[in-house]
Amino acid sequence: NAGVMQNPRHLVRRRGQEARLRCSPMKGHSHVYWYRQLPEEGLKFMVYLQKENIIDESGMPKERFSAEFPKEGPSILRIQQVVRGDSAAYFCASSPLRELGEQFFGPGTRLTVL
Amino acid sequence: GQQVMQIPQYQHVQEGEDFTTYCNSSTTLSNIQWYKQRPGGHPVFLIQLVKSGEVKKQKRLTFQFGEAKKNSSLHITATQTTDVGTYFCAGPTDYGQNFVFGPGTRLSVLP
Repeated sequence: NAGVMQNPRHLVRRRGQEARLRCSPMKGHSHVYWYRQLPEEGLKFMVYLQKENIIDESGMPKERFSAEFPKEGPSILRIQQVVRGDSAAYFCASSPLRELGEQFFGPGTRLTVL
Repeated sequence: GQQVMQIPQYQHVQEGEDFTTYCNSSTTLSNIQWYKQRPGGHPVFLIQLVKSGEVKKQKRLTFQFGEAKKNSSLHITATQTTDVGTYFCAGPTDYGQNFVFGPGTRLSVLP
């Protein structure tokens, strides 16, 4: 059973471009969480999704950021018009349970904005 | 808002010494989880505690959940260089839809 997959692993964008981060949860998992981590800091919750539904987006900036988890395909975190402050590691995690159980993290996408 | 704190922020120990990190929540938690993140890596689940006063052991690691379910600790006996990393605790938010992670304790083990 493959683990959580994220791609790309590293992404470089210039200010004003769009960044699109993908996350494929573990097989059988229908809950996906996205987190942002700045260097040497903790994990900041961004958004929690189930298939075709956003359950909680309270941690996601209201502008420029959006997330989806379609019926088919990976979950996508999209950042429009990136700024230098968006540079961070973005992790997704998946869980099979409705209750808040163990989360399985992907390897992350390191975004660098020039 | 709900806060999860951890102390210490950093800990440097000599290999073989013990290590403890403490996690404190501003609110009562239904459960608490611990994760380890190696440098350059991703968080890996270690354990989940659910019951008040619960103590669980994994080899050299001992996890404890406080009686009031607002604090927790992770103790490592006789640290090894493989224990290097950042240890995070995490608890469900008040409204239960996602997790709040503590800032982590970064452990360095000197050989």
